[in-house]
Amino acid sequence: AQSVAQPEDQVNVAEGNPLTVKCTYSVSGNPYLFWYVQYPNRGLQFLLKYITGDNLVKGSYGFEAEFNKSQTSFHLKKPSALVSDSALYFCAVRDMASSGTYKYIFGTGTRLKVLA
Amino acid sequence: GAGVSQSPRYKVAKRGQDVALRCDPISGHVSLFWYQQALGQGPEFLTYFQNEAQLDKSGLPSDRFFAERPEGSVSTLKIQRTQQEDSAVYLCASSQTGGVSEAFFGQGTRLTVV
Repeated sequence: AQSVAQPEDQVNVAEGNPLTVKCTYSVSGNPYLFWYVQYPNRGLQFLLKYITGDNLVKGSYGFEAEFNKSQTSFHLKKPSALVSDSALYFCAVRDMASSGTYKYIFGTGTRLKVLA
Repeated sequence: GAGVSQSPRYKVAKRGQDVALRCDPISGHVSLFWYQQALGQGPEFLTYFQNEAQLDKSGLPSDRFFAERPEGSVSTLKIQRTQQEDSAVYLCASSQTGGVSEAFFGQGTRLTVV
């Protein structure tokens, strides 16, 4: 079964410092991986995705993610954190194995706190 | 429309009451998903439509939950005889196709059963 794991419930980082939010995956076949961000009382906003190609994927708001096949990881990164980046971040994998469904399977989420 | 629209944004239901939650996906999007999100948790899959066909309803927690998308556009999630454990945010998402497309989410409906 396809799954993703986010090992950290919360990540604290000082404003201006680089940030990393971790995600590992378990899939059969090619992984289709996504990052979403959720602000309070809002739906999920798409940040970026990895389908194939370059291992470094660039997305919205200066975020990027590094796909590492050998470590089965897809960590979210940003070179310089902003207070406004504080939110709940979800890693997701698209389940291509089950016939006809293509559902997204989400991790448990990591709360990012950027301290001024 | 510009994005996925859900209504109502908030719903308070008395235990035992039936509720209906509406989702207007992005125009032309083939795939539509419903998810349930408990406070501080990740979204949990409920059901998936491709056009009007409900291809996967494996995540619906009981036969009190029912979803439809009769014309392949607007979808309704219905919960009969609501229970307290149904209290959650219900998220709808749509995507252009299956496969590699990203999903776009609505703001959700927060259901509170009292």
